[in-house]
Amino acid sequence: DIQMTQSPSTLSASVGDRVTVTCRASQSINNWLAWYQQKPGKAPNLLIYKASTLESGVPSRFSGSGSGTEFTLTISCLQPDDFATYYCQQYNSYSLYSFGQGTKLEIK
Amino acid sequence: EVQLVESGGDLVQPGGSLRLSCAASGFTLTNYWMSWFRQAPGKGLEWVANIKQDGNEKYYVDSVKGRFTISRDNAENSLYLQMNSLRVEDTAVYYCTRDGRTGAADYWGQGTLVTVSS
Repeated sequence: DIQMTQSPSTLSASVGDRVTVTCRASQSINNWLAWYQQKPGKAPNLLIYKASTLESGVPSRFSGSGSGTEFTLTISCLQPDDFATYYCQQYNSYSLYSFGQGTKLEIK
Repeated sequence: EVQLVESGGDLVQPGGSLRLSCAASGFTLTNYWMSWFRQAPGKGLEWVANIKQDGNEKYYVDSVKGRFTISRDNAENSLYLQMNSLRVEDTAVYYCTRDGRTGAADYWGQGTLVTVSS
């Protein structure tokens, strides 16, 4: 099974900051990595797929990078609406998907 | 507009059964893999199962193998999750998702709550 390790688990930042979340896979997943945003009581929302492709309608301040086993999500200029929990997910094989533990982005 | 609407969540005793349904609209179901995910209270996301467009390939997370069955009825634009031998640890909000053309879950339902408790 592919294990996903996401860090940090909590991140405190201010509006306007640039923040980065990291996700590491236990083995190569090529670029089959997605990032989701989830707000309390709501379903997750797809932000980025295939490691770096922005989903339609997602603001350009969100970006993803990486390949193989190391990936990052960057938010370039935090907005009030961005404070939420973020998850990475690998989908290298249809037979087993897995998520990182999540990163809660809090207002400093 | 793509919509996924889950139903069937309920309070059930350990060892009981439940069938979740997901009504899909706004897209052609036959073109997509579909998945179920879940999220236990206060916890992270977990993939549960997925099913190929024609229903001939199905995969499950180890913890539900032999107890849960995913199925679909493309003519009825519906996805299902039959859950048997339910355990306390199956308590979660269950989400139905469409797997986009690259595999990531690009649309999610609002979720349905399954509570397993005596």
